[in-house]
Amino acid sequence: GNSVTQMEGPVTLSEEAFLTINCTYTATGYPSLFWYVQYPGEGLQLLLKATKADDKGSNKGFEATYRKETTSFHLEKGSVQVSDSAVYFCALVEPKKLVFGKGTKLTVNP
Amino acid sequence: SAVISQKPSRDICQRGTSLTIQCQVDSQVTMMFWYRQQPGQSLTLIATANQGSEATYESGFVIDKFPISRPNLTFSTLTVSNMSPEDSSIYLCSVDGQAGANVLTFGAGSRLTVL
Repeated sequence: GNSVTQMEGPVTLSEEAFLTINCTYTATGYPSLFWYVQYPGEGLQLLLKATKADDKGSNKGFEATYRKETTSFHLEKGSVQVSDSAVYFCALVEPKKLVFGKGTKLTVNP
Repeated sequence: SAVISQKPSRDICQRGTSLTIQCQVDSQVTMMFWYRQQPGQSLTLIATANQGSEATYESGFVIDKFPISRPNLTFSTLTVSNMSPEDSSIYLCSVDGQAGANVLTFGAGSRLTVL
């Protein structure tokens, strides 16, 4: 079946550092891909998405490009802030449900 | 997007007991989803709850262990029955944020610890 693999965390960065969280997927066809974020004490919320190959999703300074050649959807941000500290989940859609990666915890220190 | 309230936010339970988690949405939704997040694991869909019909369970989950109610378009409950320490998880309720877009809105989750 379809699956999502994320880089293992936790990830700790200093403020203004560059962030990459790797995500690769295994799927039949070309499903829509998502990044969700969970801030402390809150529910998961959609960060960005891409619905087809070569699409770039972006939001709040985060970006991810749907790469079918490498079956990847890596999350990047050029300069992280303390407020970006959260758990990030990569996901893909299959009929009637989302399939999630294990999540990557990011801590940004001032 | 919809606002979801879950109760309880956390609980500590004894082995062999059952606990019901409530999920309230501030708008009417057709489909509600229950996920489980075990420690260090990804979110796994338990079941999909539609109003007026039986919930649809994913492989590995059964109604006797996780009975679900969906009495109306804004409310659902998930019961974790006869709990064991392996049931210690975060349980999340979610709904479709946009029709047909597969974008989910999640509640903050219910963290259960079974002793």
